[in-house]
Amino acid sequence: AQRVTQPEKLLSVFKGAPVELKCNYSYSGSPELFWYVQYSRQRLQLLLRHISRESIKGFTADLNKGETSFHLKKPFAQEEDSAMYYCALPWGPSGGSYIPTFGRGTSLIVHP
Amino acid sequence: SAVISQKPSRDICQRGTSLTIQCQVDSQVTMMFWYRQQPGQSLTLIATANQGSEATYESGFVIDKFPISRPNLTFSTLTVSNMSPEDSSIYLCSAPNPQDSILDLLYGYTFGSGTRLTVV
Repeated sequence: AQRVTQPEKLLSVFKGAPVELKCNYSYSGSPELFWYVQYSRQRLQLLLRHISRESIKGFTADLNKGETSFHLKKPFAQEEDSAMYYCALPWGPSGGSYIPTFGRGTSLIVHP
Repeated sequence: SAVISQKPSRDICQRGTSLTIQCQVDSQVTMMFWYRQQPGQSLTLIATANQGSEATYESGFVIDKFPISRPNLTFSTLTVSNMSPEDSSIYLCSAPNPQDSILDLLYGYTFGSGTRLTVV
């Protein structure tokens, strides 16, 4: 079965420091991964997708198939980056149903 | 991307009663998902709602407790029945962002704003 693991429940950094939110996956196929973000009192929203190779709000994520990872990185954290971050796989096991799988989430706190 | 309107945004309910949560999508979507989220924690999938068929429930969730309706491709409801304080949580609906492709799921999901339920 597919699985997404976010080992850190909480990540606390100071403004200007680099940030790396870890995500590891288990998936029998070619994965397509996402990062979602939920700012305080806002709805959960898509941050970036592996398929589009994009950089959003300074964040990037590279798929490493050898390490089965999709870590989210930003070179210089800002206070407004404080939020809950979720890594996700969009669908279920190979040949199975289209059920998304989310990691447990990492709370990022950026101190001034 | 799709926009989902979810209501109510919050409610305080007496134990033993039921609450129906509604989600309206501004475009047609094949699937809708219902989640439960404890504040600051991960999402737990309750069920997948497909138009024209019964919802598919995840382990630990049953239709009698969480009946779901999906009358068309833009609307779904989740009812939390016979509530107890343990049902206090945030309930979210979600749908794939519709695109002009059968691979809608590669474009991510959009979420409703959530319903914060407190059972007293």
